[in-house]
Amino acid sequence: DTAVSQTPKYLVTQMGNDKSIKCEQNLGHDTMYWYKQDSKKFLKIMFSYNNKELIINETVPNRFSPKSPDKAHLNLHINSLELGDSAVYFCASSQLGQGPSETQYFGPGTRLLVL
Amino acid sequence: AQKVTQAQTEISVVEKEDVTLDCVYETRDTTYYLFWYKQPPSGELVFLIRRNSFDEQNEISGRYSWNFQKSTSSFNFTITASQVVDSAVYFCALSEPNRDDKIIFGKGTRLHILP
Repeated sequence: DTAVSQTPKYLVTQMGNDKSIKCEQNLGHDTMYWYKQDSKKFLKIMFSYNNKELIINETVPNRFSPKSPDKAHLNLHINSLELGDSAVYFCASSQLGQGPSETQYFGPGTRLLVL
Repeated sequence: AQKVTQAQTEISVVEKEDVTLDCVYETRDTTYYLFWYKQPPSGELVFLIRRNSFDEQNEISGRYSWNFQKSTSSFNFTITASQVVDSAVYFCALSEPNRDDKIIFGKGTRLHILP
């Protein structure tokens, strides 16, 4: 059984489009995250939600909007996609709302390519 | 400021050799957590270990071992008798629960195990 799942796994789209990436975890965790991994493999946190409330919001363009319908889901919507948005996006979750200091479990990643 | 440095960008060793991946961190807090994650060629991120700042005991898990030394702010990872399946990018990470509680990842070390 997949603990943290993301869809789609691959996403190729044109510049200017709007797209969404979905994340679901079945671990019963309270906290979920989105990370961006650039072409140099550098991982950087984008957002963190605890019990559907936004906790961490890094310096991310307004075009990125996370949405958490319930604590098992954290979706990422991106408006007006730009070439620089091409990256791998990882969702993660952690236990008991303790924040990143609890162990985070990652989804398989979504490879976004903006043409 | 918190910072994680993985000075080795890429390492290649022959199978069955031992290899150590270095991780040096910077923090002003006395309470912090250190992590190692593995990213195999398939791209997913796999949790390996979490260590809190009050536990300097070294840990061994099969062929993997971790050496945590606060005196040198290092949390090094050793793979004994390496195997081809160990080929991956390995990330060291740090979080400070009493500060902003974000996880900061190092830039990763790409490990090639040659048959």
